Amino acid sequence: DVKVTQSSRYLVKRTGEKVFLECVQDMDHENMFWYRQDPGLGLRLIYFSYDVKMKEKGDIPEGYSVSREKKERFSLILESASTNQTSMYLCASRRQGGGYTFGSGTRLTVV
Amino acid sequence: EDQVTQSPEALRLQEGESSSLNCSYTVSGLRGLFWYRQDPGKGPEFLFTLYSAGEEKEKERLKATLTKKESFLHITAPKPEDSATYLCAVQAAETSGSRLTFGEGTQLTVNP
Repeated sequence: DVKVTQSSRYLVKRTGEKVFLECVQDMDHENMFWYRQDPGLGLRLIYFSYDVKMKEKGDIPEGYSVSREKKERFSLILESASTNQTSMYLCASRRQGGGYTFGSGTRLTVV
Repeated sequence: EDQVTQSPEALRLQEGESSSLNCSYTVSGLRGLFWYRQDPGKGPEFLFTLYSAGEEKEKERLKATLTKKESFLHITAPKPEDSATYLCAVQAAETSGSRLTFGEGTQLTVNP
């Protein structure tokens, strides 16, 4: 089975901190995604990547950046964390023509 | 803009009481419609992909169907372990990078 691993299940950070969320997949998938999930808003796409060093903005990229130096790893960076970035962050990967496989999520609280 | 609307927002059933969840979509050329199950505090788990109107897929007590405007997830004789949030998502033919647009989900509770 494909496995998508997110480095932290729960994270508490202070306003203004730089935050790194890491995601690793083990099935050589080309496409990787970062979503955030909030009550009443559903899943919203932040950034995605379809190849190493390639990235595209999703629907809500403001305040975030990403890095994909290796095919298996896709990192989400909060440049200066703010309280409105408190959320559940979900990483997913997908091979061409297949369904998404999601990680277990990181619940980030910014205080 | 692609849109996905799921109804109802929440559904409470008795064990064995069959029902259906609805996913209505507006998309510029459908490449695929996806159903996921999400348990509290976990990531969504893939259930089905449907590609064209008239297609149906089944898995245990779940059956997904697709028309040109909506998809239904039918749950037959549900059990308490079917309690979860069910998410619907679409991939438009014009989108790049396999991105999906998700609905807000239907929270299903099955009481014993």
